[in-house]
Amino acid sequence: DAGITQSPRHKVTETGTPVTLRCHQTENHRYMYWYRQDPGHGLRLIHYSYGVKDTDKGEVSDGYSVSRSKTEDFLLTLESATSSQTSVYFCAISDPDDGNQPQHFGDGTRLSIL
Amino acid sequence: AQSVAQPEDQVNVAEGNPLTVKCTYSVSGNPYLFWYVQYPNRGLQFLLKYITGDNLVKGSYGFEAEFNKSQTSFHLKKPSALVSDSALYFCAVRDRQTGRRALTFGSGTRLQVQP
Repeated sequence: DAGITQSPRHKVTETGTPVTLRCHQTENHRYMYWYRQDPGHGLRLIHYSYGVKDTDKGEVSDGYSVSRSKTEDFLLTLESATSSQTSVYFCAISDPDDGNQPQHFGDGTRLSIL
Repeated sequence: AQSVAQPEDQVNVAEGNPLTVKCTYSVSGNPYLFWYVQYPNRGLQFLLKYITGDNLVKGSYGFEAEFNKSQTSFHLKKPSALVSDSALYFCAVRDRQTGRRALTFGSGTRLQVQP
């Protein structure tokens, strides 16, 4: 398995609180991604990063921000969590630059917002 | 824009029988296509990919997929299903003409293999 660690694995919090999820990789891959998984929707891209301090929005980026200050860490922040952000969040990585390489996924963070 | 459709929410098959999980895609250019499998409480695991060349792609655990450009399909197949194949399967596409690396996923198909 690719060296990807997501933390925490489970979190329950209240509406309006800030939440930060962490993705840590040991593969030195350039690309990192955050997806959310919801029934009936598959995985949808939130944000991705193509290098340190280089990030871009995905299809469901509203209400989320990201940061990447080191190659190995990609943080996803919900500034003020809402119940609609209850989901399972997956981090993925890929490399090299050739776009035909598969992404490798972490085991996810199950986030519940009450 | 790129999109993927997995028309079946669930596929049921008896152990030992062949299985097919369907996927159709839409891209403006030529596609990179992927199949992933997800077991409970785990992330997605890569099964196989189509880049170019032979339309029949072989992957992990005895799975294969057939690329059909005219039908814009990339169906996942296995000649003889195992109970342990029961899982959630996702098809994904990326348009090779775009600069973005992110994949677009289908909604997933749950495969249930009965003993």
